[in-house]
Amino acid sequence: EPEVTQTPSHQVTQMGQEVILRCVPISNHLYFYWYRQILGQKVEFLVSFYNNEISEKSEIFDDQFSVERPDGSNFTLKIRSTKLEDSAMYFCASSDDYYGEQYFGPGTRLTVT
Amino acid sequence: AQKVTQAQTEISVVEKEDVTLDCVYETRDTTYYLFWYKQPPSGELVFLIRRNSFDEQNEISGRYSWNFQKSTSSFNFTITASQVVDSAVYFCALSGNNFNKFYFGSGTKLNVKP
Repeated sequence: EPEVTQTPSHQVTQMGQEVILRCVPISNHLYFYWYRQILGQKVEFLVSFYNNEISEKSEIFDDQFSVERPDGSNFTLKIRSTKLEDSAMYFCASSDDYYGEQYFGPGTRLTVT
Repeated sequence: AQKVTQAQTEISVVEKEDVTLDCVYETRDTTYYLFWYKQPPSGELVFLIRRNSFDEQNEISGRYSWNFQKSTSSFNFTITASQVVDSAVYFCALSGNNFNKFYFGSGTKLNVKP
């Protein structure tokens, strides 16, 4: 069964460093999403992406964040200058149409020290 | 504004008991979708069900059942004859007219003891 994959599973970085989290959505999906979950808290929407542009973003998704689909298979989330409060589990999701179910990847745990 | 409330932070049951997880939502959108996701200890989010606002039929899938009531803005999830493998955090989520954006509740941690 096709699935969303994410790498790395765990990333440790120092405050102020740039990180790139990578996702490979399900191959025929067209809509892509990033969410984050601070430990023990709810899952929060960050951004949605369709047709090579951002279609929606939350208040959390400020200028420190960016997303990109650099090729036909990867979907990345970049955090330019990480802060301690960016420590969280980051989930990528994809769906095959606007009303489709979102399938989530296993997550990348980001730890900022 | 969209909001999902899961008032039960944590529930503990003994195996084979039935358990209901509550979800109350708020939205002004006329068209919306409701979801349940399971997050086992391994951390991934597993899709369980999607329901649109025009379909109030209850759904049963094996030991799982869902009760959608627009009159009370609730979308409750019942596990019948719970098993240890059901132990997880369960999230209810909502998307409105802007289907791109999901709003998650704070989750209910279910502990099923043998």
